[in-house]
Amino acid sequence: QSVLTQPPSVSGAPGQRVTMSCTGSSSNIGAGYDVHWYQQLPGTAPKLLISGNSNRPSGVPDRFSGSKSGTSASLAITGLQAEDEADYYCQSYDSSLSGSVFGTGTKVTVL
Amino acid sequence: QVQLQESGPGLVKPSQTLSLTCGVSGGSISSGGYYWSWIRQHPGKGLEWIGYIYYSGGTYSNPSLRSRLTISVDTSKNQFSLKLNSVTAADTAIYYCARVIPGYSNSWFRGGYFDYWGQGTLVTVSS
Repeated sequence: QSVLTQPPSVSGAPGQRVTMSCTGSSSNIGAGYDVHWYQQLPGTAPKLLISGNSNRPSGVPDRFSGSKSGTSASLAITGLQAEDEADYYCQSYDSSLSGSVFGTGTKVTVL
Repeated sequence: QVQLQESGPGLVKPSQTLSLTCGVSGGSISSGGYYWSWIRQHPGKGLEWIGYIYYSGGTYSNPSLRSRLTISVDTSKNQFSLKLNSVTAADTAIYYCARVIPGYSNSWFRGGYFDYWGQGTLVTVSS
């Protein structure tokens, strides 16, 4: 039921920069609602990574950054590290659902 | 530090009711300012929002589950609960509870983001 589309996977070597997109529509991201990002390490609960499009909670390394434009958002990881290997989900509000929607998820692999 | 912990049966028979509780520690649900939410994740799949509740009892729920869903809050026990009836194998999932930092648009509640999560509990629907 995901209405936010993410690439299934991205990969990069240690130290590289990777980005992933989150594409929505006029009822969610395009309507101006904020986009938030979560990191889910294998076998664990999701962890808030970015809130309000680009804000990092305390304790999140500044290697992680978020942006939003139009009906899409992006998450970038610079200086990729082995510990960044995880699934990443975007999330926003959808006015047609009157609730939260998550992206399809992107698996990051560190080569 | 806020902590959330899901509890409930790990196995539910088809057509029966799935019942889970989320206990909150490190903060009071009745202090207001936050919503509380249930989210699930089918095995090997993505995240699905189930619903929100406020300490006063107001709820919002996913239309795809609304007809089978009840979310309630017990401020005296500092916990909130989920009941999903008439379950099928399609309801087999890891169920998470989470705290919601609310978002507003023109003073109307418009979701928000999930800053604290429980560890999740796997519920299997099987006879």
